Amino acid sequence: DQQVKQNSPSLSVQEGRISILNCDYTNSMFDYFLWYKKYPAEGPTFLISISSIKDKNEDGRFTVFLNKSAKHLSLHIVPSQPGDSAVYFCAASGRGDYKLSFGAGTTVTVRA
Amino acid sequence: EAGVAQSPRYKIIEKRQSVAFWCNPISGHATLYWYQQILGQGPKLLIQFQNNGVVDDSQLPKDRFSAERLKGVDSTLKIQPAKLEDSAVYLCASSAGTAREKLFFGSGTQLSVL
Repeated sequence: DQQVKQNSPSLSVQEGRISILNCDYTNSMFDYFLWYKKYPAEGPTFLISISSIKDKNEDGRFTVFLNKSAKHLSLHIVPSQPGDSAVYFCAASGRGDYKLSFGAGTTVTVRA
Repeated sequence: EAGVAQSPRYKIIEKRQSVAFWCNPISGHATLYWYQQILGQGPKLLIQFQNNGVVDDSQLPKDRFSAERLKGVDSTLKIQPAKLEDSAVYLCASSAGTAREKLFFGSGTQLSVL
């Protein structure tokens, strides 16, 4: 039972343009959301997070938006750079159960 | 600061054999996690330790998988006997507290079961 879904397995974007990655969740108990980034042959690294009390969190070129009513969050990368080419995982956890549920990931390729 | 260390990086075994993975978390991190990542899927939590006690092992196939964390520091994950469907990357992660805090992942062990 996949509670976190990333429906786009891949995304190709030109350098300097915006990358938008989407994530949907089904569990209404989720109240904390994270994005992790993974390069080949490395473990995932934390990128950005958002609590359900907010609808936006920004860190440099990365912004995460949360739409609780739609159970949807998105990650915006502006501007996209070649070093952003990686797999991005959306993850979520709920009140009282801090276990993380991960999506299947979206592979981003930034073209020069 | 040293990151999460895992070994081996790669392992190839035949089905029904046994295999063990080792993880050394970041110094001082109380919580240690083992995840299984099958190709094309996101990481799935197998077991979570808080110090040397098990917090969550609900998704660990206990008939073949076992894990321990001695003295609340490093940990081993064992599979015995292995099945073809165990082919995956096994990721170890640690955090200072709960998963609400950043998880720091090791590079993983890629297991191929033939």
